[in-house]
Amino acid sequence: AQSVAQPEDQVNVAEGNPLTVKCTYSVSGNPYLFWYVQYPNRGLQFLLKYITGDNLVKGSYGFEAEFNKSQTSFHLKKPSALVSDSALYFCAVRPRTSGTYKYIFGTGTRLKVLA
Amino acid sequence: DAGVTQSPTHLIKTRGQHVTLRCSPISGHKSVSWYQQVLGQGPQFIFQYYEKEERGRGNFPDRFSARQFPNYSSELNVNALLLGDSALYLCASSLAGTSVNTGELFFGEGSRLTVL
Repeated sequence: AQSVAQPEDQVNVAEGNPLTVKCTYSVSGNPYLFWYVQYPNRGLQFLLKYITGDNLVKGSYGFEAEFNKSQTSFHLKKPSALVSDSALYFCAVRPRTSGTYKYIFGTGTRLKVLA
Repeated sequence: DAGVTQSPTHLIKTRGQHVTLRCSPISGHKSVSWYQQVLGQGPQFIFQYYEKEERGRGNFPDRFSARQFPNYSSELNVNALLLGDSALYLCASSLAGTSVNTGELFFGEGSRLTVL
C-alpha cells in the first residue's frame, strides 16, 4: 500500500537553531513530493515541492527540503527556526502513475519553536 | 484575488442527516479536490473533479458524493451521517487535473462538521 510516514509527532527546537522535520514514503515510481503547513483552525498552505532535478529544493519562509531517492525520504529543513514557524507540518506525495490524481498525506508533525 | 472559499465554516448535524458542503476554487483553476481531515490525522483524499468530470475517488463509502458545476465550483454531499464523519472537510483547487499536473494544491479554510 502507498503511504507516507512522519515518524515524529512533535519536534521541539530552540529559536535560532536549525530544524528538521522527517518524511519517508512508500510509493512506487518517482512521485512528486510536497510539504504543507497548517496553522490552528486554518487550511493547509503550500511550502515547497520536488518534481525533478536538484535534490535540494527551496520554498517559502526560508524552508528547504532534501530529496533522497535511495532512502525514499524528503526531509524539511530550515537553518534558523523562528517562533512563528510553530505549526503543524504535513508531507505529501502524488504518484506519477497515469490516472492517479490523489495526494497522499502523512499524519503530520507538530513543530514547536521555543523562545 | 480571492483564494479557495468554502461554506459553511462550521456546522452541527445529527446522525442520519444529510449535509452539503460548498467550494469555490481560485479563479482560473479548473480542478477541485475534496479531503477529509479527522482530528490528529492527515488529510484523506475523497474526490477530484476536473472539467465537471470525476477524475479520482478515494476509499470512501457511497454515502459520499460530489459534483462540479460549469463555473468550476463544487459540492460535497454526505448522506446518512455517522459519528465518524465528524471532521474538517477541505477543498483544494489546482490549475489542471490531468496526469501531467505537477502543481500544488491550494486549500480553503475548511468546513468543520460535527455529527452528534
